[in-house]
Amino acid sequence: DQQVKQNSPSLSVQEGRISILNCDYTNSMFDYFLWYKKYPAEGPTFLISISSIKDKNEDGRFTVFLNKSAKHLSLHIVPSQPGDSAVYFCAASWGSNYKLTFGKGTLLTVNP
Amino acid sequence: GAGVSQSPSNKVTEKGKDVELRCDPISGHTALYWYRQSLGQGLEFLIYFQGNSAPDKSGLPSDRFSAERTGGSVSTLTIQRTQQEDSAVYLCALKGDRGAYGYTFGSGTRLTVV
Repeated sequence: DQQVKQNSPSLSVQEGRISILNCDYTNSMFDYFLWYKKYPAEGPTFLISISSIKDKNEDGRFTVFLNKSAKHLSLHIVPSQPGDSAVYFCAASWGSNYKLTFGKGTLLTVNP
Repeated sequence: GAGVSQSPSNKVTEKGKDVELRCDPISGHTALYWYRQSLGQGLEFLIYFQGNSAPDKSGLPSDRFSAERTGGSVSTLTIQRTQQEDSAVYLCALKGDRGAYGYTFGSGTRLTVV
């Protein structure tokens, strides 16, 4: 029973273009959503988050959009850079113990 | 990541042996988590420590898995009688300072059971 789904295992974009990574969830109790980036042999690093009371959050080149009715969120990276090449994980949480449920990740490759 | 040291970075063990994985927070955090990532899978929650409260062990996959946190700092995850399906990267995380949910992850221990 996968509560957080990233249906695209991989995505390839050209440098300078927009990268859009998608995530769907099934548990309507989730009230906080996060994106993490992971390079090989390193732990995931926090990128950006959004509360369920919002539908958009921006941080520099990164924007997360939340569509609660569709139980869908997306991460936009504009402009994409080769250094953005990594695995991106979507995660969700509810309740006070901050336990996160992760998707399987999407490998983003940004080509120079 | 900065603030979390995990050891060993790699561990190869024979099926049936016990292993102990260590997480050493460099700075004090009250909340510490263990996750694991099996090949082709997302990160799977294992256990959560919060201060002096009883740990949330709801993610431990079997009674072969146990964890403790001594003195509110160092944590060890022990796997007894390892099986091949235990092969994964085991990650320790601390509740970070980038908002309530900005975990800081260690680099992980890659466990291979042969």
